[in-house]
Amino acid sequence: QAVVTQEPSLNVSPGGTVTLTCGSSTGVVTSGHYPYWLQQKPGQAPRTLIYNTDDKHSWTPARFSGSLLGGQAALTLSAAQAEDEADYYCSLYYDGSRVFGGGTKVTVL
Amino acid sequence: EEQLVESGGGLVQPGGSLKLSCAGSGFTFSAHTVTWVRQASGKGLEWVGRIRNKDNKYATAYSASVKGRVTMSRDDSTNTAYLQLSGLRSDDTAVYYCTGGGYFDVWGRGTTVTVSS
Repeated sequence: QAVVTQEPSLNVSPGGTVTLTCGSSTGVVTSGHYPYWLQQKPGQAPRTLIYNTDDKHSWTPARFSGSLLGGQAALTLSAAQAEDEADYYCSLYYDGSRVFGGGTKVTVL
Repeated sequence: EEQLVESGGGLVQPGGSLKLSCAGSGFTFSAHTVTWVRQASGKGLEWVGRIRNKDNKYATAYSASVKGRVTMSRDDSTNTAYLQLSGLRSDDTAVYYCTGGGYFDVWGRGTTVTVSS
């Protein structure tokens, strides 16, 4: 089974920008992995922010964007706000199944 | 309001089995894949498996960690999906979420499964 890797933790200043990445043990991440990005706050269910690399749900704040960057999937948070402090998970698609990364804890400080 | 509600969790002895339910409302449940995701306390998300819709022949796929012990099914007449897991082990202890609606649009709040003697 493939392994999906994410940074364990990242810090961002209020109003700052941070980029989270999502790599695959099988090699380059492409649009064919249909990358998803989910946000989870303590005690809450996950919420999907980005699907299929860069598509947003209606509830996804404009300051979040998805992309492919340097062979990985990426989630960029611009103009970070205190409410963005959360765990972020990426998920990649492999031949009919999905694998989640270990998650990135984003701290806004 | 689009909603998914899981139920059926609880305390189960090692080696036992359980059947979780995921009831949908507020959207066309039958049109979409239902995916099960679990999360052990303090840990990350783990994809457990999915069941596709009727157009895709209700095809299932399961993670290696549960394959051979799991069956996913659905009853679109009642907008309910099911996860049956047998041979339960301590590492199956987790909150189990279902998600659906197209692109993981809708998530339930989860149901807690504890495997312990």
